Amino acid sequence: NAGVTQTPKFQVLKTGQSMTLQCAQDMNHEYMSWYRQDPGMGLRLIHYSVGAGITDQGEVPNGYNVSRSTTEDFPLRLLSAAPSQTSVYFCASSFVTTGRSGYGYTFGSGTRLTVV
Amino acid sequence: RKEVEQDPGPFNVPEGATVAFNCTYSNSASQSFFWYRQDCRKEPKLLMSVYSSGNEDGRFTAQLNRASQYISLLIRDSKLSDSATYLCVVIPNTGNQFYFGTGTSLTVIP
Repeated sequence: NAGVTQTPKFQVLKTGQSMTLQCAQDMNHEYMSWYRQDPGMGLRLIHYSVGAGITDQGEVPNGYNVSRSTTEDFPLRLLSAAPSQTSVYFCASSFVTTGRSGYGYTFGSGTRLTVV
Repeated sequence: RKEVEQDPGPFNVPEGATVAFNCTYSNSASQSFFWYRQDCRKEPKLLMSVYSSGNEDGRFTAQLNRASQYISLLIRDSKLSDSATYLCVVIPNTGNQFYFGTGTSLTVIP
């Protein structure tokens, strides 16, 4: 099993450009999410999905769109890149966790994005 | 108020030392708790779950104190390979969002 696969690993964008960060998992996880990680800020949730066709906003959704057309894929779109979006982006997936302990996340290896 | 708060450290300890980290959470209805480990420039990886009765995994012990709303991680006999950032994770009873602490940096010194 590949687990959670993120592409690309590195990306440099110019201000105003758009792009899509790809995330795919092969573990049949219902729950998928996108985080950004910045120094001193920890991991902050951007968007998440509890199943195909269902998405919701996290803590920092502005400037990002998501869709979940299949269980496996959860792409993150940057609509018009800004320098403030320079960050490391992680996709993560898990089984739906309500009421359960022990079902942690599986993370992708991250995308390092620089917006100039 | 943040959902989860951690002392960022850094903790610099000699090999063989015992070190403990705490993490406090604000939602008393939180249901599930985890510790993750993140190496430099890598993704976080699950270290261990935290159960109400406390649990051990080798040199690592995790505990939950619901009354005071904190979880802890104790590392005994520290190894150089334990150097990393340790993140606590709290899941509220709605179960739809994981809340991460900002992480505690540990460096084990020879």
